[in-house]
Amino acid sequence: KAGVTQTPRYLIKTRGQQVTLSCSPISGHRSVSWYQQTPGQGLQFLFEYFSETQRNKGNFPGRFSGRQFSNSRSEMNVSTLELGDSALYLCASSLDQGPDGPDTQYFGPGTRLTVL
Amino acid sequence: AQSVTQPDIHITVSEGASLELRCNYSYGATPYLFWYVQSPGQGLQLLLKYFSGDTLVQGIKGFEAEFKRSQSSFNLRKPSVHWSDAAEYFCAVGPMIRWGKLQFGAGTQVVVTP
Repeated sequence: KAGVTQTPRYLIKTRGQQVTLSCSPISGHRSVSWYQQTPGQGLQFLFEYFSETQRNKGNFPGRFSGRQFSNSRSEMNVSTLELGDSALYLCASSLDQGPDGPDTQYFGPGTRLTVL
Repeated sequence: AQSVTQPDIHITVSEGASLELRCNYSYGATPYLFWYVQSPGQGLQLLLKYFSGDTLVQGIKGFEAEFKRSQSSFNLRKPSVHWSDAAEYFCAVGPMIRWGKLQFGAGTQVVVTP
C-alpha cells in the first residue's frame, strides 16, 4: 500500500506571499493531520481533518488554514508568509477506526518551506 | 498541563552497544504512546506504539519499549545498535479520544560511532 505523499517536497517563497501544500493520505485513511517542525519549537500540531471537517486545531494564527476533499486529500494554506514560517510541514494520516486502533498516525516525507 | 519530556537531547553510542532513550509524560489519564524515528530530511517513521495490554511492546528494527504507569515513562531500548540507527527519535502521546492530536517530545538525537 502506498504511503502518505506530500507535494511539493521543497518550496521557496518570499515574505508576504501565500503557499498551498498538498497531502494525499494512505488509501482508506480518512483522518489527516498537519504538523509544523522547526528547530526551535519542535513538532507542533496545526490541525486535523476528518470527512472534510476540521475536528481539532492547534495554536496557530488564522494565516494557517486547511481543508479536506471528499477523497480525503488535504491541503494547507499559509497566507502572508513570515520568515518564521520556514519549517518542515508534515502531514499524517490515520484510520479513524479499525484494526490499527485509534490515532496511529503515519507520516509523509514533509514539505520543506523556506521563506526569504 | 499535558507534557512529554525527553530528558536527553543528544546521545552518542558505539555500534554494537545497547541504547535506551527516555520518555516521561504528564497526562490526565493513560494516553496512547508512540515512538517515531526521523532520519535527516525525512518524515517520521513509526517504531512502535502502546495502547493497552502487555507493557513491553516490540517494534520494528529490533526496538522495544516498556510502559511503566507508576513512573509515567515509556522508554525505548535496543540491545545492539547499528550505524543505521543514527537518527532523531521522538516520543509522542495521544489522548484516548480518537481524533486527538499527537503531542511530541523535543526529540533525542542519536549518534552512532564505529
